[in-house]
Amino acid sequence: EAQVTQNPRYLITVTGKKLTVTCSQNMNHEYMSWYRQDPGLGLRQIYYSMNVEVTDKGDVPEGYKVSRKEKRNFPLILESPSPNQTSLYFCASSDRDNTEAFFGQGTRLTVV
Amino acid sequence: ILNVEQSPQSLHVQEGDSTNFTCSFPSSNFYALHWYRWETAKSPEALFVMTLNGDEKKKGRISATLNTKEGYSYLYIKGSQPEDSATYLCASFLVRYKLSFGAGTTVTVRA
Repeated sequence: EAQVTQNPRYLITVTGKKLTVTCSQNMNHEYMSWYRQDPGLGLRQIYYSMNVEVTDKGDVPEGYKVSRKEKRNFPLILESPSPNQTSLYFCASSDRDNTEAFFGQGTRLTVV
Repeated sequence: ILNVEQSPQSLHVQEGDSTNFTCSFPSSNFYALHWYRWETAKSPEALFVMTLNGDEKKKGRISATLNTKEGYSYLYIKGSQPEDSATYLCASFLVRYKLSFGAGTTVTVRA
């Protein structure tokens, strides 16, 4: 089954404790991206990747890092989480940037 | 228009009625326009990806049109059903590779 898998689905952590949210897709897609969703705002792009070892900042990259060492995986790293990073996060992948995106199940992160 | 904007923010529709709502986006350097349907507690799912001016796409009772010269797209729901209740998101590329989403239109269909 074609899918994008994120883990964990829910996470509560403390300020400053490094964490990684994993994202994996099995569709051999080149384009992957991370979004955060906050009440009243649309999905905002954090980082995107056009292919292996090619990443770039989206609209809200501050406080986040990503890597794309393999085509299928695109982890999101929060080196020192802060409460303003409490949000719902989605990973998405697509064949190219102008084809439909497939979204993961979402990760609800709370930083206290 | 500098961002992707959607209106209205929310709407209520009686079952069986038809409805439509708007997505506005910058018309310069247009690349593609996406529509997604997002149900509560689920992930967004793609409805349409549109690239050509004048394009019309249809999936069941849902259809969309695109005007790239004036920078807008309409999404239509014909004969609304309770299962159509969801938030509908549109997205466009303000910069190549950077897909920007509108805040969404939340549709509630009353039985």
